[in-house]
Amino acid sequence: AQKVTQAQTEISVVEKEDVTLDCVYETRDTTYYLFWYKQPPSGELVFLIRRNSFDEQNEISGRYSWNFQKSTSSFNFTITASQVVDSAVYFCALRNSGYALNFGKGTSLLVTP
Amino acid sequence: NAGVTQTPKFQVLKTGQSMTLQCAQDMNHEYMSWYRQDPGMGLRLIHYSVGAGITDQGEVPNGYNVSRSTTEDFPLRLLSAAPSQTSVYFCASSDGQAYGYTFGSGTRLTVV
Repeated sequence: AQKVTQAQTEISVVEKEDVTLDCVYETRDTTYYLFWYKQPPSGELVFLIRRNSFDEQNEISGRYSWNFQKSTSSFNFTITASQVVDSAVYFCALRNSGYALNFGKGTSLLVTP
Repeated sequence: NAGVTQTPKFQVLKTGQSMTLQCAQDMNHEYMSWYRQDPGMGLRLIHYSVGAGITDQGEVPNGYNVSRSTTEDFPLRLLSAAPSQTSVYFCASSDGQAYGYTFGSGTRLTVV
């Protein structure tokens, strides 16, 4: 069975601080895919990144970066110099064999000015 | 516009009523899935489909039925609505390739 754990329920930071959102996963598959999604207050789900189990390179996209470590089954997400617009709920997810997603419970990030 | 269309956006049901949440995609995606979102619970998988005629249960399938008669449509049926089914429902599709899933805008369902 697969499981995704986001231990941080809520995080509050002041604008321009860096923040890391943790994601730990469990799977018996040797090939698997991990995702991060953002859900702003408007409610839609916004795709951020997909990472497969073969590629352990860290990824950077602007102020966003992701650290994938198979040894610790973690796929953490860092926002550098956070902004108010980053306030949202962030979900980590693992794709199952039926190409559906198993989500963590999400981390609510609040960035205050 | 290409994407996943969910209807209705809002619905209020009485306990015991049945209804169907519609989900349609025009991207010829093979893979479709339904999720419910409740406060503090994240998104939980209800049912999913890997192609027309093939469906399977997710984490919380009780009280819901699905069918996939065409590639485009994946309706979710509530057989006898209960207050515990009050939630926001999302439908998603994927071609299983390089990119992420496309989600619908959601259906907010209240059962009274």
